[in-house]
Amino acid sequence: DTEVTQTPKHLVMGMTNKKSLKCEQHMGHRAMYWYKQKAKKPPELMFVYSYEKLSINESVPSRFSPECPNSSLLNLHLHALQPEDSALYLCASSQDRQGAGYGYTFGSGTRLTVV
Amino acid sequence: AQSVAQPEDQVNVAEGNPLTVKCTYSVSGNPYLFWYVQYPNRGLQFLLKYITGDNLVKGSYGFEAEFNKSQTSFHLKKPSALVSDSALYFCAVRDMRTSGTYKYIFGTGTRLKVLA
Repeated sequence: DTEVTQTPKHLVMGMTNKKSLKCEQHMGHRAMYWYKQKAKKPPELMFVYSYEKLSINESVPSRFSPECPNSSLLNLHLHALQPEDSALYLCASSQDRQGAGYGYTFGSGTRLTVV
Repeated sequence: AQSVAQPEDQVNVAEGNPLTVKCTYSVSGNPYLFWYVQYPNRGLQFLLKYITGDNLVKGSYGFEAEFNKSQTSFHLKKPSALVSDSALYFCAVRDMRTSGTYKYIFGTGTRLKVLA
């Protein structure tokens, strides 16, 4: 298995809703990442987990809450989002936190719309 | 701080012609450089990387990139473009954080349009 699987592919949520995005990989990668991408813009790093511990939080608002229950799974919990949070949310993984030596494997993303 | 620049928002090329997508970088130390491609509503796909060694790096789908230290460039090339190469291309450089974790810094992206 050489993929990063993200679910759901599309999500529409109200500003008072609570939802979660899920990311899964079975490549034995020990670093996992959440990126946010607005239309026609480059991905922006949100969080990095290394060996199931939060390694980087890029000053993301607390309405986004990451969780790494095990080495294969990464969640992003969403609560009280704003319309400007609508974006493509990408998950990625790499063999370790140095990642760059091998490149990242990205999932196809979750297209989130906040109404 | 590390950075990459992609000076062209869009590149148009006729099918069968060679293509070049430009990237310049600014880093302290030795650069770790990457190219990724993104198709509509999809995640990014790794194309190739330069870490050390030969300046000409070969990657997926017939793409290659030339590392030029004197010009601080890492242009993506392909000898003969296909319509299916039409996508958004990102150049990236590795940046190390104080935690020892690395992150990518992406360029703004170049949309490649291959015309039949």
